[in-house]
Amino acid sequence: DAKTTQPPSMDCAEGRAANLPCNHSTISGNEYVYWYRQIHSQGPQYIIHGLKNNETNEMASLIITEDRKSSTLILPHATLRDTAVYYCIVRVGSNYGQNFVFGPGTRLSVLP
Amino acid sequence: GAVVSQHPSRVICKSGTSVKIECRSLDFQATTMFWYRQFPKQSLMLMATSNEGSKATYEQGVEKDKFLINHASLTLSTLTVTSAHPEDSSFYICSASIGTGINYGYTFGSGTRLTVV
Repeated sequence: DAKTTQPPSMDCAEGRAANLPCNHSTISGNEYVYWYRQIHSQGPQYIIHGLKNNETNEMASLIITEDRKSSTLILPHATLRDTAVYYCIVRVGSNYGQNFVFGPGTRLSVLP
Repeated sequence: GAVVSQHPSRVICKSGTSVKIECRSLDFQATTMFWYRQFPKQSLMLMATSNEGSKATYEQGVEKDKFLINHASLTLSTLTVTSAHPEDSSFYICSASIGTGINYGYTFGSGTRLTVV
């Protein structure tokens, strides 16, 4: 699975959009981009995933560049409860039985 | 959605004793479950892959005789930390793969905070 690079930490003001970047320049054509987050002392929580089209759900939007070498997770109106570590993971979607490999992620702090 | 229930959420045990952590898939069958360990301020590290009805596959450096994994049914996997020591104190998390094709992903348990005193 392709390796990802994320900034170690980011701050965001409450109520503003949080834009979390992820670089995955070695991504291959059949690899999906997944985003999870981990709030302190909890298990990771699924946010969103996509292959090449931009995706939106009730939690966030995922913007994938046309060359798929990078993506951005957007939390449109960050709240204090969005403070967490956000993980960008790239892997083959149909590679059943294979685990996720977690990098260090981005620690997002939403400030009042 | 698919839920993985993990128990206990928190356990304190004495050094030398054993602790069992359970991970149940509530509304789906999990052929494969994964066990992770997370130390403070670090990311999740895979310990082992648990397959229903067969032996678990352990990552390099993880002692299989110390971390016993049983996956006897499609809805239950257990991790037993045997002869626990303070250095085994950590956050343990299980997960299971769900869905197929474009909807493929993973769901995680809520984690177990183990403190060995």
